[in-house]
Amino acid sequence: QKEVEQDPGPLSVPEGAIVSLNCTYSNSAFQYFMWYRQYSRKGPELLMYTYSSGNKEDGRFTAQVDKSSKYISLFIRDSQPSDSATYLCAMIETTGANSKLTFGKGITLSVRP
Amino acid sequence: NAGVTQTPKFQVLKTGQSMTLQCAQDMNHNSMYWYRQDPGMGLRLIYYSASEGTTDKGEVPNGYNVSRLNKREFSLRLESAAPSQTSVYFCASTAGTGWKGYEQYFGPGTRLTVT
Repeated sequence: QKEVEQDPGPLSVPEGAIVSLNCTYSNSAFQYFMWYRQYSRKGPELLMYTYSSGNKEDGRFTAQVDKSSKYISLFIRDSQPSDSATYLCAMIETTGANSKLTFGKGITLSVRP
Repeated sequence: NAGVTQTPKFQVLKTGQSMTLQCAQDMNHNSMYWYRQDPGMGLRLIYYSASEGTTDKGEVPNGYNVSRLNKREFSLRLESAAPSQTSVYFCASTAGTGWKGYEQYFGPGTRLTVT
């Protein structure tokens, strides 16, 4: 089992839909949880960043972490065509001064006008 | 601020040729990384440099070498390119300290094709 599993997609939704993107993980030592967004032919950019269980909201985006179930989600409300991109979850384990970042494989989202 | 810059943007090599991918950041970050991204494989770490003067292997280092030239620059060298190295290469950097020290800032990528 890989440390981080992400639904492979692709995912296509109509404009205005609520989108749910999910990742599961097996490493209990992961402490920080991130979502990156990557537009076509661009580098990934950080979208959401959290370290605790619960919800974190930023505009139309909500990041949810459930450490007991080893499950994180990204919800997009009122999805827009401009949200069409690949979304990657990422998780960080720290050991002393060292840190290890593990990415999910990413899911490509297409929002149809 | 330019952030993380990479050169070249595109490159076509023949099998056996060598080349160096250049990366520079202007954010005074301590740590720098090289990834490759392939369809269905996600981002895989090739090498990283936690601080100036140090480099370490990542998940897929075979066939690559790196140099942390100074705090700003981190280069990736392919000594003898193979078709399996056809990929999109991303450089990234992190501050390495503080609350958001783990946030990775990525460059725009280099699309490499080896024929």
